[in-house]
Amino acid sequence: DTAVSQTPKYLVTQMGNDKSIKCEQNLGHDTMYWYKQDSKKFLKIMFSYNNKELIINETVPNRFSPKSPDKAHLNLHINSLELGDSAVYFCASSQGVTQYFGPGTRLTVL
Amino acid sequence: GIQVEQSPPDLILQEGANSTLRCNFSDSVNNLQWFHQNPWGQLINLFYIPSGTKQNGRLSATTVATERYSLLYISSSQTTDSGVYFCAEDSNYQLIWGAGTKLIIKP
Repeated sequence: DTAVSQTPKYLVTQMGNDKSIKCEQNLGHDTMYWYKQDSKKFLKIMFSYNNKELIINETVPNRFSPKSPDKAHLNLHINSLELGDSAVYFCASSQGVTQYFGPGTRLTVL
Repeated sequence: GIQVEQSPPDLILQEGANSTLRCNFSDSVNNLQWFHQNPWGQLINLFYIPSGTKQNGRLSATTVATERYSLLYISSSQTTDSGVYFCAEDSNYQLIWGAGTKLIIKP
């Protein structure tokens, strides 16, 4: 049973396109996150939702829009993709301090 | 905000060796966590260790909160220990991450 799942695992697309990444957790956690990991492996928080409400919105272009239809899902929609958006995007969830990560989505923008 | 520094940035060892990874913080430590990212990219939480020492098999971690550092010990390394080890401190619902230590265990 996968605790935190993401789809798709790989995403290759052209500049200017719009794409979405989905995340689901079956742990019953209240808080979910999106992280971006760049080519140097540096991890940076993008968004955090607690009980479907946005609680962290770091300096991220407004082309990125998270949506939480319910407590178990946090999707990431990206408009007008740019080359610099190429990275691995991780979803995570937590109940308390310990965070559990999804497998990541490798986004390549051509 | 809090700064997290990890050392060494890279470490190459033979199978069976022991290693110590360090994490220094610029501010007080309250919710330190250690993670392992395996060569396939999966991030696994190893320890939640705000203070004291914990052990899990060949891995153990110690946090000295008063001196703002944490250590991760890996004993009798195996090739499956390869990957990047991150420490992170929780601050206002977000994790502040170190840059990681890339560990390569050679057979």
